[in-house]
Amino acid sequence: GAGVSQSPRYKVAKRGQDVALRCDPISGHVSLFWYQQALGQGPEFLTYFQNEAQLDKSGLPSDRFFAERPEGSVSTLKIQRTQQEDSAVYLCASSDRDRGPTSNQPQHFGDGTRLSIL
Amino acid sequence: KNEVEQSPQNLTAQEGEFITINCSYSVGISALHWLQQHPGGGIVSLFMLSSGKKKHGRLIATINIQEKHSSLHITASHPRDSAVYICAVNSGAQKLVFGQGTRLTINP
Repeated sequence: GAGVSQSPRYKVAKRGQDVALRCDPISGHVSLFWYQQALGQGPEFLTYFQNEAQLDKSGLPSDRFFAERPEGSVSTLKIQRTQQEDSAVYLCASSDRDRGPTSNQPQHFGDGTRLSIL
Repeated sequence: KNEVEQSPQNLTAQEGEFITINCSYSVGISALHWLQQHPGGGIVSLFMLSSGKKKHGRLIATINIQEKHSSLHITASHPRDSAVYICAVNSGAQKLVFGQGTRLTINP
């Protein structure tokens, strides 16, 4: 079956432009995560959805970052008025329904969107 | 200090060698993950464990909860094992907290 799909794979934008990054999770996966990975670093958490509900957005670095998942499937990460420090790979992951508050499921990652801000 | 620390940061070895990558964490966890990332960005989940040891092919992952330490071992390493290996933890939440990764290069 299809894995997590992200588009575009590469995005170049001028400083100050708005960008939108798309994530198609694995069909039926309840949980969806966005992570940001700077060059040479490990990924860092941005935000988490359970179905359409955004349960945790503590990792979003500023109010220029906005994420949504209106129908509980496809998600969009939007960055307004981009700045050079936004240049990174943006990773989306999805996972199946958790079995309880202390159980976890493996996360399935997309190939990421590499964003370059000039 | 990062909540998840990996060592070494870079590792180069010859084909056939036994490889060990270490991960230490400073928070309580509900699960620990080992992930593989190839050039181009794609991340693959190798293991998720909360105790003991898991084995898949030439890969073995162990965890010691008391010592807050995990290791990933690769037996009979091969050039196709060259990648970045990342340790990540669930610390009581669904989101993952990642280490910085270990870049492994296996030379033929």
